[in-house]
Amino acid sequence: AQRVTQPEKLLSVFKGAPVELKCNYSYSGSPELFWYVQYSRQRLQLLLRHISRESIKGFTADLNKGETSFHLKKPFAQEEDSAMYYCALSKNQAGTALIFGKGTTLSVSS
Amino acid sequence: KAGVTQTPRYLIKTRGQQVTLSCSPISGHRSVSWYQQTPGQGLQFLFEYFSETQRNKGNFPGRFSGRQFSNSRSEMNVSTLELGDSALYLCASSLGLLAGEDTQYFGPGTRLTVL
Repeated sequence: AQRVTQPEKLLSVFKGAPVELKCNYSYSGSPELFWYVQYSRQRLQLLLRHISRESIKGFTADLNKGETSFHLKKPFAQEEDSAMYYCALSKNQAGTALIFGKGTTLSVSS
Repeated sequence: KAGVTQTPRYLIKTRGQQVTLSCSPISGHRSVSWYQQTPGQGLQFLFEYFSETQRNKGNFPGRFSGRQFSNSRSEMNVSTLELGDSALYLCASSLGLLAGEDTQYFGPGTRLTVL
């Protein structure tokens, strides 16, 4: 079965601390992996996708097919990073028909 | 560029009724996807429409249906509403590319409450 697991519902860190939001997936083929973010009172939006291998707002994510993981990392958290983060997979490169994890709330305090 | 719009934003219905939600995609986008968000199940994919045809379908009962018009606007319908259908329904639009990088843009959602 296709599934995305985000084991932490809440992650609280101090400003300047490193952040790692965990994501594990279960999929028989080669999925496309994404991270979406929802800031307070804003719409859900794409943060990054594994295929582009780019860093957005200082966040990076590496696809580890052996461990079926796609953890999101940032070396130094900022208060404006506080948001809900969703890991998602898609069967197609376009990233439609997404299967989402339950999400992790990241809280960054000073 | 105007974003994805959804109407109505809030809706209250009673069990057994049916409801129609509307989504207007970003201009030029031909793909519209629908998702249901609940506290218990999280975000779940309902279906995707591209050029008036359903291209992908999630695992929801037949009470949930959708359609897309020639101008790419989409509607979803839920018949015989159940209490468990109370949720935030999100719509997302994209160019609809099957390969290459494409981005889904989400609307604000329609909050449906079933009493």
